[in-house]
Amino acid sequence: EDKVVQSPLSLVVHEGDTVTLNCSYEVTNFRSLLWYKQEKKAPTFLFMLTSSGIEKKSGRLSSILDKKELFSILNITATQTGDSAVYLCAPRGSNYKLTFGKGTLLTVNP
Amino acid sequence: EAQVTQNPRYLITVTGKKLTVTCSQNMNHEYMSWYRQDPGLGLRQIYYSMNVEVTDKGDVPEGYKVSRKEKRNFPLILESPSPNQTSLYFCASSLTGTGGLQETQYFGPGTRLLVL
Repeated sequence: EDKVVQSPLSLVVHEGDTVTLNCSYEVTNFRSLLWYKQEKKAPTFLFMLTSSGIEKKSGRLSSILDKKELFSILNITATQTGDSAVYLCAPRGSNYKLTFGKGTLLTVNP
Repeated sequence: EAQVTQNPRYLITVTGKKLTVTCSQNMNHEYMSWYRQDPGLGLRQIYYSMNVEVTDKGDVPEGYKVSRKEKRNFPLILESPSPNQTSLYFCASSLTGTGGLQETQYFGPGTRLLVL
């Protein structure tokens, strides 16, 4: 059975802090790993990672994958209140199925 | 505008009364999927479809049916809803589902279902 564990489950920081969110996984026939941001609505896509060691960046967000150690991290620098959300990690494995972690709830206080 | 639409957005029904939640995408995507999201359990896949007339079970298919007669539509059918199917449902689509470079999965706005 595919497993995804995200940590921490929740995190409270102040604006300007840097955060690191973790995702470890065990999936059969790993193909890629996706990160999503979910506010009070549908998840929105952030990154897709397929190769180890190649950092994806989008503004203050970046992510990297380690296929050998089976984990990924999502970094957010200079956090803002608008970054408050649940961040979801989803590796894609056999039959192209996405398995979602339970998410990390990030709260950024002013 | 490229989007995934779901209807209805909110639904209150009673046990045993058949219902259908529609999902439509206008991006010519081959892959479509249904998820349910519950507190403490996260997003779990119900069914998915790799293409027209090709569907397969996800992690929690019991009590649900799907069909994929056209590329753009992927309705979710609850033949006899029960209270444990009260949940937030998301439809999603992506280009091919094969995990390639264009495999961003787009989500619909969600359907909140309450079964009494």
